Amino acid sequence: SQQGEEDPQALSIQEGENATMNCSYKTSINNLQWYRQNSGRGLVHLILIRSNEREKHSGRLRVTLDTSKKSSSLLITASRAADTASYFCATDAKTDKLIFGTGTRLQVFP
Amino acid sequence: ETGVTQTPRHLVMGMTNKKSLKCEQHLGHNAMYWYKQSAKKPLELMFVYNFKEQTENNSVPSRFSPECPNSSHLFLHLHTLQPEDSALYLCASSQVLDLAKNIQYFGAGTRLSVL
Repeated sequence: SQQGEEDPQALSIQEGENATMNCSYKTSINNLQWYRQNSGRGLVHLILIRSNEREKHSGRLRVTLDTSKKSSSLLITASRAADTASYFCATDAKTDKLIFGTGTRLQVFP
Repeated sequence: ETGVTQTPRHLVMGMTNKKSLKCEQHLGHNAMYWYKQSAKKPLELMFVYNFKEQTENNSVPSRFSPECPNSSHLFLHLHTLQPEDSALYLCASSQVLDLAKNIQYFGAGTRLSVL
C-alpha cells in the first residue's frame, strides 16, 4: 500500500478561488514535501515541512502538517489559470527516499 | 529550467530495439534517481545512485540497466522492453542522499512508447 494518498483526485475551480488539497500517509516521517507537475513535465519542488512544524507559507501557498493524524494540506490562495497542474505530496517514511502519492489534478478555469 | 536535462524527450521503440535514456544535472548534486511514471499510478522509484554508486534497485526488471559514469550523468539502457513499459521516465537529483536535505530536482522526462 502506498505511503501518501492525495485527496481529492481531481479539483476544478475558477480563477480567484482557493484550492485545498489533502495528503494522508501511513508511517512516521521526518519531512513531508509538496511537488507540482505540469502536464507531461517533470516535478517541481514547492515546499518542505518538517515533522516538528505545523504550518509553513511560501507566497500563495500554505501547507499544514498534523502528525497526530498523519495528514497534510496544501492551500493555494487566489488561484490562477497557470496553477493548473497535478500536485503531489511526498514523504520520507524515515528513509533516504521519497515516496510519492498519486496526486491531485487541479484545473483552474479563467 | 531545473538544472536537470533529459534526452530524448520522446522515444518510440520496438520490443527488440536497444536504446538509452540520458540524464545530466548541472547542480553539483551527488545523488541521482530514475523514476517511472505511469498513468494513474504513484511515481515508482527505480534506481538510486549516490556518489556514482548504486544504492537502490527497486526490483526493476533486468531489461532496464542503469549506468552512472560520474555524479553528473545518469543513463538508463533499455532492451527487449514490453508494451507495459511505456511511461514517462523521470530523472532527478538531490544535493546529498540525506533526509534533511532531500529536495529532489527533476528533469522534464522522456515519454517512452514501446510498440
